[in-house]
Amino acid sequence: DTEVTQTPKHLVMGMTNKKSLKCEQHMGHRAMYWYKQKAKKPPELMFVYSYEKLSINESVPSRFSPECPNSSLLNLHLHALQPEDSALYLCASSQTGLAGSYNEQFFGPGTRLTVL
Amino acid sequence: ILNVEQSPQSLHVQEGDSTNFTCSFPSSNFYALHWYRWETAKSPEALFVMTLNGDEKKKGRISATLNTKEGYSYLYIKGSQPEDSATYLCALEGTNQFYFGTGTSLTVIP
Repeated sequence: DTEVTQTPKHLVMGMTNKKSLKCEQHMGHRAMYWYKQKAKKPPELMFVYSYEKLSINESVPSRFSPECPNSSLLNLHLHALQPEDSALYLCASSQTGLAGSYNEQFFGPGTRLTVL
Repeated sequence: ILNVEQSPQSLHVQEGDSTNFTCSFPSSNFYALHWYRWETAKSPEALFVMTLNGDEKKKGRISATLNTKEGYSYLYIKGSQPEDSATYLCALEGTNQFYFGTGTSLTVIP
């Protein structure tokens, strides 16, 4: 199974809502990533988990809260978002995520989030 | 932060034409350059990973080269087919970071 799955595919939420995005992989990868992509912009790295520990947090606002319950699952909890947070949220995984050699990433199809 | 640029932004070619596009970057201080193919409503799919200056990779009709000294990578598609229509993204992998370009959107007209 070389697939990364993301749920939901689409999400519309109000600024006071709490919601979660989910990502799952069964390739035995030990690194998982969250990216945010706005229209006509490159994907921007938000968080990296390596061996279930948060290794990178790219100065993301606290209204985004990542969680890695185990090596196959990655969640992104959303609370009190702003309309400018509307974007495509992509999840990816790679074998280790360790620096020093390259990490081939496998991506999910993304969750299209709209904040009203 | 590494500024990765891709050109052109979009491209329309006739079926059967060969085409190429560019990924350029300011520094050779990275571990790898990745190329991805991203079809609408699907997941980005890894095409190539290149790590060394002069690397050339090939997969079917698609090939890529890397020149770290002059700061660019080319992606070539020979004999374009409608199923090649997609956005092609490149990304530089640094220390605990990936820097993506904005992509080249390719449309192959039957």
